[in-house]
Amino acid sequence: AQSVAQPEDQVNVAEGNPLTVKCTYSVSGNPYLFWYVQYPNRGLQFLLKYITGDNLVKGSYGFEAEFNKSQTSFHLKKPSALVSDSALYFCAVRDSPSGAGSYQLTFGKGTKLSVIP
Amino acid sequence: DAGVIQSPRHEVTEMGQEVTLRCKPISGHDYLFWYRQTMMRGLELLIYFNNNVPIDDSGMPEDRFSAKMPNASFSTLKIQPSEPRDSAVYFCASSFSFKPWEEDTQYFGPGTRLTVL
Repeated sequence: AQSVAQPEDQVNVAEGNPLTVKCTYSVSGNPYLFWYVQYPNRGLQFLLKYITGDNLVKGSYGFEAEFNKSQTSFHLKKPSALVSDSALYFCAVRDSPSGAGSYQLTFGKGTKLSVIP
Repeated sequence: DAGVIQSPRHEVTEMGQEVTLRCKPISGHDYLFWYRQTMMRGLELLIYFNNNVPIDDSGMPEDRFSAKMPNASFSTLKIQPSEPRDSAVYFCASSFSFKPWEEDTQYFGPGTRLTVL
């Protein structure tokens, strides 16, 4: 079965510093990987995805993520954090057509990012 | 496009009452998903539809939960009878696939916060 892990419940970073939110995954085939962000009392918003191609994926609001197949990771990064980036971040994975997984996305537990002014 | 629309945004009801949550997906999307989010369990997929047909309802907690999609622009999630442990935020999401297994970015609605007393 496919799974995704976000090892940190909370990440604190000072404004202007680089940020990293970690994600590791497990699928039987090639992964389709996603990052979503959730602001308080709002639904999840799509940030970026990796399907195939370049391992460095750029997304909304200056975020990017690096796919590392050998480490089965898909960490979310941003060079300079803003206070407005404070939110809950979810990593999600699903299997590719060649794998044994289902169509559904499997989400991590979420990581709360706090950017301190 | 207005995005995924959910109603009501908040629902407070008493144990034993019937609750109906509503969702209007993004026009043209052929997949619709119902999720439940709680602090303890995170984000759980309850059921999803493709072209108005339920594909996988293995996430539906028990027979008290039912979902329908009578047409491409409307879906309901019903809980009858409701229980306090059903208190959660329920999200609807939709996506479009150019062909099976391809391009499945899901777009989420704002959610319905359900409180069962």
